[in-house]
Amino acid sequence: KAGVTQTPRYLIKTRGQQVTLSCSPISGHRSVSWYQQTPGQGLQFLFEYFSETQRNKGNFPGRFSGRQFSNSRSEMNVSTLELGDSALYLCASSPVGSDQETQYFGPGTRLLVL
Amino acid sequence: SQKIEQNSEALNIQEGKTATLTCNYTNYSPAYLQWYRQDPGRGPVFLLLIRENEKEKRKERLKVTFDTTLKQSLFHITASQPADSATYLCALVLAGTYKYIFGTGTRLKVLA
Repeated sequence: KAGVTQTPRYLIKTRGQQVTLSCSPISGHRSVSWYQQTPGQGLQFLFEYFSETQRNKGNFPGRFSGRQFSNSRSEMNVSTLELGDSALYLCASSPVGSDQETQYFGPGTRLLVL
Repeated sequence: SQKIEQNSEALNIQEGKTATLTCNYTNYSPAYLQWYRQDPGRGPVFLLLIRENEKEKRKERLKVTFDTTLKQSLFHITASQPADSATYLCALVLAGTYKYIFGTGTRLKVLA
């Protein structure tokens, strides 16, 4: 099976712009989670989607949003970018997102905000 | 406040020795704890899961312990090799929340 894919891999934006990141989970996986990783804060949970519904959300401002499509693919949007949004954004998928499951991570999208 | 701490940012050990990494947490009641490995420029890769009612789990050269009284997990790599050099992350899984709380990671370097 192909792994989790994320596009684009690298992105440069300027403050105030918005950005959309895409994640394709492993075939058959219905749960997709998004994380932000920075050197100072580590890996922080953004949100989790299952069957097109957001089931859980981390402590990020409303500028961060996401959605999931019927084929389980997911997108994450960040509006009004700030310098502090520069990070590696990781998506992870699992079959149903239960707490007993392994998460499979994609390679990430590295976002640089200038 | 709730937090997870991994013992140190970086750990250097000699090849062949046992590496021991620590994950401490406060104010959580996790159902499970997982350990991941992350190489530069890549996403984390799952290594081991241990449940709250399990004391120890092993997989090849890897061993994880979980002490819910001390609120601590230890991750051991025996007979370490340079190829084991990576960042290791622990993650708490809160029961029924579909939410993973990650530690900041320990960067392990195994010296040849």
